[in-house]
Amino acid sequence: QVQLVESGGGLVKPGGSLRLSCAASGFTFSDYYMSWIRQAPGKGLEWVSYISSSSSYTNYADSVKGRFTISRDNAKNSLYLQMNSLRAEDTAVYYCARDNSNSAFDIWGQGTMVTVSS
Amino acid sequence: QSVLTQPPSVSGAPGQRVTISCTGSSSNIGAGYDVHWYQQLPGTAPKLLIYGNTSRPSGVPDRFSGSKSGTSASLAITGLQAEDEADYYCQSYDSSLSGYVFGTGTKVTVL
Repeated sequence: QVQLVESGGGLVKPGGSLRLSCAASGFTFSDYYMSWIRQAPGKGLEWVSYISSSSSYTNYADSVKGRFTISRDNAKNSLYLQMNSLRAEDTAVYYCARDNSNSAFDIWGQGTMVTVSS
Repeated sequence: QSVLTQPPSVSGAPGQRVTISCTGSSSNIGAGYDVHWYQQLPGTAPKLLIYGNTSRPSGVPDRFSGSKSGTSASLAITGLQAEDEADYYCQSYDSSLSGYVFGTGTKVTVL
């Protein structure tokens, strides 16, 4: 079945780094734009970054620009988010999501928790 | 910070109709970008409910409907059921931010 599974979350100190992964299955991964979306505890959804199907285009929310890098490996059906210079305000559940042709997120992973604390 | 504004909460009795508004601006909804809606049950990932302003993915009951006009959009739930108690978010694209934006979120309570 169509599925996204995130991994790589955990506890990290302020200023530290973490790399999230998202494994896709059940669909042709290389056909779709993908995004990372996060949700701080008790808060709403915040789009973080997207990457085009061939990695030609990427974009980031201002809150993470210059610190986070999105990438993908279509041969491995995998999406990544490299997070550097982490701050307390980056604490959130991070979801990967498939971007359908209407720019809606039609498939979501279960999320991975990132906690930035000393 | 969200650029799409939703009411924090709405409530209704079982069987009633409730609506959730999503107010944007000329750089997102008013610019013609599609609005999508998501339902998030407690402790779970969001689920796409409405895409392209008015379309429902397969499996979403027709009790859920979307509309869009000017710089705003709305989600209507008719025949409210206990299982509809959840958080709902609108989403669109913003040209000034060159990125996607979500609404502030609305908690629906079934009385």
